[in-house]
Amino acid sequence: GEDVEQSLFLSVREGDSSVINCTYTDSSSTYLYWYKQEPGAGLQLLTYIFSNMDMKQDQRLTVLLNKKDKHLSLRIADTQTGDSAIYFCADNLNYGGSQGNLIFGKGTKLSVKP
Amino acid sequence: NAGVTQTPKFQVLKTGQSMTLQCAQDMNHNSMYWYRQDPGMGLRLIYYSASEGTTDKGEVPNGYNVSRLNKREFSLRLESAAPSQTSVYFCASSTPGLQYFGPGTRLTVT
Repeated sequence: GEDVEQSLFLSVREGDSSVINCTYTDSSSTYLYWYKQEPGAGLQLLTYIFSNMDMKQDQRLTVLLNKKDKHLSLRIADTQTGDSAIYFCADNLNYGGSQGNLIFGKGTKLSVKP
Repeated sequence: NAGVTQTPKFQVLKTGQSMTLQCAQDMNHNSMYWYRQDPGMGLRLIYYSASEGTTDKGEVPNGYNVSRLNKREFSLRLESAAPSQTSVYFCASSTPGLQYFGPGTRLTVT
């Protein structure tokens, strides 16, 4: 079956940039997503990128997609302590007639040190 | 506009007890989903409903049943709870390409 992989931990200092990486196996991805989960909370959709795009920028967030290598990254500029959370990469599988079944990576826990 | 709501927020069950987790969305989405989240495992799809009146199994359906009561509501039932079902359960709904999550139900089975 299809798979999404990401590293489990990342630690950065406040004010630095954070880069969270993800690889996926699905050759027919249409959308790829980044979700943020704060402790004890649900998943919040941060941003997404359509598969025919290479880059998407949204304020402090930059998503880069290398479709040839099936590699997705999320860059957070000027990382703040409030960015500490678990970040999930997800791939839209588009099967079963639904409007988008997602497969998730295991999540990257971002720790921001003051 | 509440988005996706789930009840209860927390629940403790004894092995063998049954319960139903409730989920509702007010965004008029066709598709709804149930996931479980376990430490180190990410989110795994239990069941989904592509549209009102249809349900299908996901990656980990054993021990669960679902009902798509109407377009708004999608419930998850544990008929005979087991300790392996201790988890955080998330409901989601989607519009084409975008999926939105509820706040989760933390379930402990002793």
